Amino acid sequence: EDKVVQSPLSLVVHEGDTVTLNCSYEVTNFRSLLWYKQEKKAPTFLFMLTSSGIEKKSGRLSSILDKKELFSILNITATQTGDSAIYLCAVITGTASKLTFGTGTRLQVTL
Amino acid sequence: GAVVSQHPSWVICKSGTSVKIECRSLDFQATTMFWYRQFPKQSLMLMATSNEGSKATYEQGVEKDKFLINHASLTLSTLTVTSAHPEDSSFYICSASRDRARNEQFFGPGTRLTVL
Repeated sequence: EDKVVQSPLSLVVHEGDTVTLNCSYEVTNFRSLLWYKQEKKAPTFLFMLTSSGIEKKSGRLSSILDKKELFSILNITATQTGDSAIYLCAVITGTASKLTFGTGTRLQVTL
Repeated sequence: GAVVSQHPSWVICKSGTSVKIECRSLDFQATTMFWYRQFPKQSLMLMATSNEGSKATYEQGVEKDKFLINHASLTLSTLTVTSAHPEDSSFYICSASRDRARNEQFFGPGTRLTVL
């Protein structure tokens, strides 16, 4: 059975801090790993990672994939209260492009 | 581009009734649509994958006779929760893919179902 595990489950930081969210996976027929941000409704796409070692960056957010060690990290620098959300990691597998989600990390950024 | 809508956003129904949720890709043709369920403080769980014109593929543990999925066209999939019970109360989210090779899925805004 495909498995995606995120850590920590929950995190509270002060505004301005840097955070690193972790995602490890054990799946068959890996295709890509995706990061999403979920506030009150459906997830919004952040990154898709397919190749090892190539950092993807968008503003204060960045992510990298290690296909040998089967994990990915999502970094957020200079956090703001608007970064408070659940961050979901998902892995796409197989020809049916099935998405398996991790448990999510709930991030709260306080003033 | 790549907008997915769901209708309704929010529904409350009595136990024993059936509820239909629609998922539409507004500006693209979706070769595949996915239905997820999310319980409070939990992650999204894939329920089923549907391809236009064929039967949906259900994940293990999801009752196909209870959660009827119809993918009638390349822009519309429906999920009908039949004989709903309080334990079916959840947040139901669909996603649509226009190109499997690109691994992209676009999510709808979700439908919150409450069964009394």
